[in-house]
Amino acid sequence: ETGVTQSPTHLIKTRGQQVTLRCSSQSGHNTVSWYQQALGQGPQFIFQYYREEENGRGNFPPRFSGLQFPNYSSELNVNALELDDSALYLCASSEGSGSSGEQYFGPGTRLTVT
Amino acid sequence: QQQVKQSPQSLIVQKGGIPIINCAYENTAFDYFPWYQQFPGKGPALLIAIRPDVSEKKEGRFTISFNKSAKQFSLHIMDSQPGDSATYFCAATVAAGNKLTFGGGTRVLVKP
Repeated sequence: ETGVTQSPTHLIKTRGQQVTLRCSSQSGHNTVSWYQQALGQGPQFIFQYYREEENGRGNFPPRFSGLQFPNYSSELNVNALELDDSALYLCASSEGSGSSGEQYFGPGTRLTVT
Repeated sequence: QQQVKQSPQSLIVQKGGIPIINCAYENTAFDYFPWYQQFPGKGPALLIAIRPDVSEKKEGRFTISFNKSAKQFSLHIMDSQPGDSATYFCAATVAAGNKLTFGGGTRVLVKP
């Protein structure tokens, strides 16, 4: 059984550019949640995907968008990057939205916006 | 609005000591409270979790105490080791698979 994987590990982008981050969920998990963790802070919920549909969104602007694929992997897209978007982006997978399944995190993608 | 408040921000203990991290929540709809451990450059790892119908839960050297009436819960690390040095986050959610609301984190340093 493989854990949650994310790619790339690190990324440097320029303000105004667009970025796509990828996540493969743990085997058997059909729900993926994305979080943003600024330096020295706790993760903040961006949104969740359950069976390819968005299932809840945090307080993030529409330029943060996502997708979930039939194999339950997921992408996070951020348009018009701002300096404050620099953070560790984490995805977490679980067995099912609203179920008793705990969320397991991947190693994250460190995004730096210059 | 920060719905989960965590304290202290940092903690230093000697090997064998018992770091205690406290969290308080506001939303009474929360019914699942996990703790995560995070090492530098890594994602958070689930340590232990508790539901409000239980006042205490132990897993290995980690113990959660839960006070529903006070809306507070805490993590104790028994017989702490240098390898326990990490940042610990409490979290809360209305159901285990739903969005997690995290506390601000506590950086724990265990000195040999």
